[in-house]
Amino acid sequence: SQQGEEDPQALSIQEGENATMNCSYKTSINNLQWYRQNSGRGLVHLILIRSNEREKHSGRLRVTLDTSKKSSSLLITASRAADTASYFCATVDSRRRQAGTALIFGKGTTLSVSS
Amino acid sequence: KAGVTQTPRYLIKTRGQQVTLSCSPISGHRSVSWYQQTPGQGLQFLFEYFSETQRNKGNFPGRFSGRQFSNSRSEMNVSTLELGDSALYLCASKGRGLPAPGNEQFFGPGTRLTVL
Repeated sequence: SQQGEEDPQALSIQEGENATMNCSYKTSINNLQWYRQNSGRGLVHLILIRSNEREKHSGRLRVTLDTSKKSSSLLITASRAADTASYFCATVDSRRRQAGTALIFGKGTTLSVSS
Repeated sequence: KAGVTQTPRYLIKTRGQQVTLSCSPISGHRSVSWYQQTPGQGLQFLFEYFSETQRNKGNFPGRFSGRQFSNSRSEMNVSTLELGDSALYLCASKGRGLPAPGNEQFFGPGTRLTVL
């Protein structure tokens, strides 16, 4: 079953603005990943943040992780039309030995960037 | 190098039929996972294979099965299709070694299955 919940479900902004998406999860994790999906196609890995990290940057992306609140946020700065996509957070339940590398995804945030 | 490929890209079947989807991982990758994506349930894990062995299975009925071949290519099969099986089926591959939870997963474009 899904454990992540993204907030907001949909976000519409203008090019150049920043976009912030939030994710909550329910179990213990070793790391949290963010993926992007363009219009019903495959997912692309964006960034991974480990449970002992609070913040991580990659280009225009900034991810934060608060394990005490079981939440993470993804910030995209200076958004472009090409950033239009759905964004998902994903975790692996570290408590379950049988979890393997099975990703548990949130429901995603649909971002629309207009020019 | 080439990414993950999935065939076919689109498929239309009728209830009661069975279907086989194929996934070729990135060259050298030995781990393959399958996910189902629907508007209602979102992305859900189906199975994970490594070196021809199923390592993990999601909470799906026995109608969903899979296998992996010696060249790491994987297939999943759905028997006795139901309307609710209509979904985008995504395959992902990970690195050369035993997969770890922190591994980045590389996804294919998916197979869009429509059950009528």
